[in-house]
Order: sequence, then structure tokens, then C-alpha cells
Amino acid sequence: EAGVTQSPTHLIKTRGQQATLRCSPISGHTSVYWYQQALGLGLQFLLWYDEGEERNRGNFPPRFSGRQFPNYSSELNVNALELEDSALYLCASSSLAGPTNEQFFGPGTRLTVL
Amino acid sequence: EDQVTQSPEALRLQEGESSSLNCSYTVSGLRGLFWYRQDPGKGPEFLFTLYSAGEEKEKERLKATLTKKESFLHITAPKPEDSATYLCAASQGAQKLVFGQGTRLTINP
Repeated sequence: EAGVTQSPTHLIKTRGQQATLRCSPISGHTSVYWYQQALGLGLQFLLWYDEGEERNRGNFPPRFSGRQFPNYSSELNVNALELEDSALYLCASSSLAGPTNEQFFGPGTRLTVL
Repeated sequence: EDQVTQSPEALRLQEGESSSLNCSYTVSGLRGLFWYRQDPGKGPEFLFTLYSAGEEKEKERLKATLTKKESFLHITAPKPEDSATYLCAASQGAQKLVFGQGTRLTINP
């Protein structure tokens, strides 16, 4: 069974530009989560999507946004990039239908803002 | 405020030297306590979920336990390939995970 996939692996942008990151969940999972892991910091929750709707949001500014498509894949958009947005962005998926809600992570997208 | 704290930050062991990692949490309405392993530059790999105090789970050289305030990850006779950062996370009803900072474990041969 294929795991969570993310693209691109690496992304280099300059300050002020926009970045788009993509995530495909495990087949059968309807929930997608986004996390930011900056150097020296732990994983910080960004966004949770389920069935195409944004369900919860972490303490990040509105320039972090996203969406979930009918096939449950998801996009994270970061507008007006700042240097401190440089981080590993991780996507996870889970199924809410089962008795447990483990989140399974993808390999991440390394975003570098110059 | 919901918080997860892991200790120690870093731990160096000799191959075969058993030890424990600690995860203390203050999360209201805990729905689950999760352990992940993360190798450098990669996404976290799921290890265990614990749901209630007293619960224990094992996988190879790892055993996770849960009390009402903390969880322990016991590593028995570790090997160099067990070297990684171990992350603890707590889940509540909002379906988001609150992560600790992790424990960076190094096993020397």
C-alpha cells in the first residue's frame, strides 16, 4: 500500500513569492494534516482538512492557506514568503472512520526562502 | 495551554545499554498519546498509540507505557540502527497533534 506522498521534495523561493506544496494521502484516508517543522523547533500544527473542508487551524497567519480536492489530495499555499518560513513541511493523513486516529506522515517538502 | 515536554533532549548510549525516554503532557481530554521515530530529513514514522493509563505496547526493542501524566519509551538492548529522534505527541478532540520537541537518541557501536 502506497504511503503519503508529497511534492516537490525541495522548493527554493525568494522572499515575497508564493509557494505551493502538494500532498496525496493514503488511499482510503479522508483527513489531511499539514505541519511545519522549522530548524530547532518541534512540529507545529498548521491545518486540518477533512472531506474537502478546513476543520481546524493552528496559530499561523492567514497567508498560510490550503485546500482539499475531491480525491482527498491537498495543497498548502504560502503567500508573501518570509525568511522564517524556511522549514520542512510535513503532510499526514488519517482515517476518521476507524477506532483509532493515527496520523501517517509523508517525507516532507523542504522549503527554503532566500 | 496544551503542552508536551520530552526529556532528555539528547541521549547517547552504548549498543546494548537499555534506557527510557520520557514524555510528560498537559492536555485536556486526551484522546491518544503517540510515539513516532524520525530520521534526519525524513517524515516521522508511526510507532505506537496509547489510549489509557496502564496501557503498554511493544515493538521489537521498544516498549511504550502510559500513565495519567506521562509516557515512557523504553529501549532494551538498543542497536546503532535505533539511532533517531523520537517524538511524542498528544491528541485531543480537535484532531490535531501537539508534539514535544523530541529526544535525539544516538547508539554507539
